[in-house]
Amino acid sequence: AQSVTQLDSQVPVFEEAPVELRCNYSSSVSVYLFWYVQYPNQGLQLLLKYLSGSTLVKGINGFEAEFNKSQTSFHLRKPSVHISDTAEYFCAVSDVGSNYKLTFGKGTLLTVNP
Amino acid sequence: DVKVTQSSRYLVKRTGEKVFLECVQDMDHENMFWYRQDPGLGLRLIYFSYDVKMKEKGDIPEGYSVSREKKERFSLILESASTNQTSMYLCASGDTQYFGPGTRLTVL
Repeated sequence: AQSVTQLDSQVPVFEEAPVELRCNYSSSVSVYLFWYVQYPNQGLQLLLKYLSGSTLVKGINGFEAEFNKSQTSFHLRKPSVHISDTAEYFCAVSDVGSNYKLTFGKGTLLTVNP
Repeated sequence: DVKVTQSSRYLVKRTGEKVFLECVQDMDHENMFWYRQDPGLGLRLIYFSYDVKMKEKGDIPEGYSVSREKKERFSLILESASTNQTSMYLCASGDTQYFGPGTRLTVL
């Protein structure tokens, strides 16, 4: 069975600082990996995804993530955050061939302070 | 742009009522999903459907059923609502999952 661990439930940072949100997964088969963002009182929005190919994936809003198969990780990074990046971020995994059925982590609340 | 709409943003029901949550997508997606989101637990999959009249149980299907009579519409049904079903319900559509805005259901 799959599982996703987001190692930090809350990450406070100052504006313009770099940030890394950590995600580890477990699965016995090949996977697809996703990061979603949820702003207050909204649904989730896809930030980026890894399906195959280059392990460095670039997404919207200046975010990127790197798939590391040996460490079963898919950490999300941004070199300089803005106040508007304050939101909850979810990592998710899907086994290849599972009709894109996702298992989500419990989320990381990123708070960007001025 | 893909649009996923949910019938209500906020809903208040009483224990024992039958509750219908509806989700409609406009992109001819085969896959549709229903999740519930609770603080500290993230999103948990209730049911999903990969075609009309096809459905599969997710991780927490107990107390729920679903209906998919048309490709664009996926309904979540609470046969007899209970207080522990108070939650945010999110519908998603497509392979990489476009989400609706959510329905916050309160069961009194």
